[in-house]
Amino acid sequence: DAGVIQSPRHEVTEMGQEVTLRCKPISGHDYLFWYRQTMMRGLELLIYFNNNVPIDDSGMPEDRFSAKMPNASFSTLKIQPSEPRDSAVYFCASSLAGLDQPQHFGDGTRLSIL
Amino acid sequence: KNEVEQSPQNLTAQEGEFITINCSYSVGISALHWLQQHPGGGIVSLFMLSSGKKKHGRLIATINIQEKHSSLHITASHPRDSAVYICAVRYYGNKLVFGAGTILRVKS
Repeated sequence: DAGVIQSPRHEVTEMGQEVTLRCKPISGHDYLFWYRQTMMRGLELLIYFNNNVPIDDSGMPEDRFSAKMPNASFSTLKIQPSEPRDSAVYFCASSLAGLDQPQHFGDGTRLSIL
Repeated sequence: KNEVEQSPQNLTAQEGEFITINCSYSVGISALHWLQQHPGGGIVSLFMLSSGKKKHGRLIATINIQEKHSSLHITASHPRDSAVYICAVRYYGNKLVFGAGTILRVKS
């Protein structure tokens, strides 16, 4: 089992640029989660999907953030335009059955916006 | 306001000691998670609890629904247990709230 795969591992870009983070969940997992982790706010759930459909995006901070899941094996989190305060580690996780089941986390993408 | 409080914030222990990390929450929940984040940043789900107690190796997690409190215990601690331990609760509905984490350092 390859686990949850995120790319890139690190991203450094300038303010105003579009950033796309990618995630491949574990095969057979019906739920996919996107999290953000910062020193100030800790871990935050941004959005999660069930069977490729967004269920709750109330954690998405602004309209600059968007997430899609075009199929069961791929999801993207996009920030456009990016700002320095978006700098954080973004984690993707997947689970068999929602928020009440153990989640498997990817290694995260460390994003720095200059 | 739905909050999750963890204590202590920082904990240093000697190898072999019994360790307890606490998590308190404010209202009724449907599930509580304990996560471990290693110094390299990777996050591992340790336990998911809705009642009672779970054990995995040297780790034990308990939850008291009436007291709105959970504890994570580590028996015979080892330096490799050094990590950040994070409590997360799922409030009824879709809200998942995380504690600030407990930084554990186990010295040999």
